[in-house]
Amino acid sequence: GEDVEQSLFLSVREGDSSVINCTYTDSSSTYLYWYKQEPGAGLQLLTYIFSNMDMKQDQRLTVLLNKKDKHLSLRIADTQTGDSAIYFCAESNNAGNMLTFGGGTRLMVKP
Amino acid sequence: GAVVSQHPSWVICKSGTSVKIECRSLDFQATTMFWYRQFPKQSLMLMATSNEGSKATYEQGVEKDKFLINHASLTLSTLTVTSAHPEDSSFYICSARDESGSDNEQFFGPGTRLTVL
Repeated sequence: GEDVEQSLFLSVREGDSSVINCTYTDSSSTYLYWYKQEPGAGLQLLTYIFSNMDMKQDQRLTVLLNKKDKHLSLRIADTQTGDSAIYFCAESNNAGNMLTFGGGTRLMVKP
Repeated sequence: GAVVSQHPSWVICKSGTSVKIECRSLDFQATTMFWYRQFPKQSLMLMATSNEGSKATYEQGVEKDKFLINHASLTLSTLTVTSAHPEDSSFYICSARDESGSDNEQFFGPGTRLTVL
């Protein structure tokens, strides 16, 4: 079955850039997502990218996709303490279909 | 964006009781909703796909008689955890698919934390 993997933990200083990485195995993945989960809360969609794109930028967020290597990354510029959360990448073979999630990366931002 | 609500947000119950969790799409209709389960410090696992007017589709390993899903209207899906036991304690999150938009995007509810004593 599909498998999505992420590193467990990332710590950065406030103002630095954060890069969260994700790898997936399903070659039919069409949509790739990044979600943010704050403690005790649900999921907030941050951004998504179609598999025919290799980059998408949205304000402080930059998503890079290497489809050949099945590698996805999320870069957060000028990381703030409010960015501290768990970040999940997820993939789907069709928009609106079930999502397969990675294990989540806990981002800690130190002042 | 579209809003999905869940009720209750937090429930504590005794072992052996049944608990119903509601998932509502507040400003759009959703023929398809998804139920996910998240254990502490773990990722979300899809439990089932809820289809309005028909039976839910359960993922492998999820007991359909244990987790009853009813999607009786275009804005409401319910998940009932029957005869709950402590191992059912988890964070349950639903999502609803907005088919009116071009992206067919899923929107997530805030989650329901279930604690079974």
